[in-house]
Formats: sequence, C-alpha cells, structure tokens
Amino acid sequence: SYELTQPPSVSVSPGQTASITCSGDNLGNKYASWYQQKPGQSPVLVIYQDNKRPSGIPERFSGSNSGNTATLTISGTQAMDEADYYCQAWDSSTARFGGGTKLTVL
Amino acid sequence: EVQLVDSGGGLVKPGGSLRLSCAASGFTFSNAWMSWVRQAPGKGLEWVGHIKSKTDGGTTDYAAPVKGRFTISRDDSKNTLFLQMNSLKTEDTAVYYCTTGDNWNYFYWGRGTLVTVSS
Repeated sequence: SYELTQPPSVSVSPGQTASITCSGDNLGNKYASWYQQKPGQSPVLVIYQDNKRPSGIPERFSGSNSGNTATLTISGTQAMDEADYYCQAWDSSTARFGGGTKLTVL
Repeated sequence: EVQLVDSGGGLVKPGGSLRLSCAASGFTFSNAWMSWVRQAPGKGLEWVGHIKSKTDGGTTDYAAPVKGRFTISRDDSKNTLFLQMNSLKTEDTAVYYCTTGDNWNYFYWGRGTLVTVSS
C-alpha cells in the first residue's frame, strides 16, 4: 500500500521559517494536501493541490511538491501555528495520510 | 455556512455494531462526495472511506482495514451521511469525523464522534 512518511517532530523559533516534509513514492506525480490540527479540534485544510491556500489561511503558509517529497513551509512562524500537521495524497481511489508532524514553536 | 454534525458514537462491545450519522447543511449535499476520517486516541488521521454523489455514480471506496465491515451510505432527501460499522474491533476505537470539500480535498469537517470498542 502507498505510504506517506513525515518526521514526527519539527521545532522552530518564533518568526523563523518552518519546513515540514512528506515523502512518498513519486509523490510529485500526485497532488498533496496539508491539514493542521490543534489539540481537541478538528483538522483544518491549510494547503491543497500542492500549493493552493483555502480562503482564510494566512499567506505565511505555502507548499511545494516535486520528486518524492512534498513540503509545507510556514514563514514567520507564530505561536498560534503550533499544532500537528498531516500531509495527504490519493492513491487510486484511496486517500492516504502521513503519520503527522508535531510542530513546536519555542 | 457549511455545517457537519456527527453523531451516534458510544461504547460498544467487540463484535458489535454501531451506526454513525452526519447531518449536513449550508451546501448542496446531493452534489457532494462525502467521507469519513477517523483518529484513534493519541494517533494520526486515518481515511475510512467515501461515497460519491449520485451524479458521479454514488459508488463507495473503503480503506483496507474496514472493507467488508463498514458501509457508507447517504440520504440526499435528508442531507445525511451514514457509517454502518459491523464486526467492530478494539482497534476501531477512534473519533470519527465526517468531512467533505471538492471531492479530493477536505475543506469542511464535523466535530467528530467518539466510538469506543471495549468489553
């Protein structure tokens, strides 16, 4: 089955740039989405179709996808960005999620 | 405003059954592909399955761990999505989210309903 691999944790200082990767076989040939989830809350879509931002998502969130790796980049990271982040892609008619990355802002 | 209200969770014994519901409003439900995603306690997101709109065939797809045990259905007259769960296992314990969007991306999520499978 198709697997998406994310680092378990990433740390960033406030105001710096955070990058979270998602690896999968030929992932660049698929669209990648990213979801943010804060404790006790439902997930929120922050990037879809590799690099599109839904309405209401700040411009500091951006995405890219090439080769075997998709990357979520948060520029000027703020304390409110501390959360779990999940990548997602489709394999045939099945959605796959990465294992999630805990972003710590410290 | 799009609203998805998940309900029907609870405590059930292994081997038992449960039916979840998701009441939708704020969009044209009959045109939407609807999905279920679950999250075991302290774990990541796991896709359960989806049902396409009737205009797109109304077919369903499921994740391997639930195929043959879970059934997704919809009642477009009541704007409601269902998840029938049979032969439940302890590993099915999770918060179950109803979600939808543009078929491939999940823009809208319910608040989730907790299913606990335990003897």
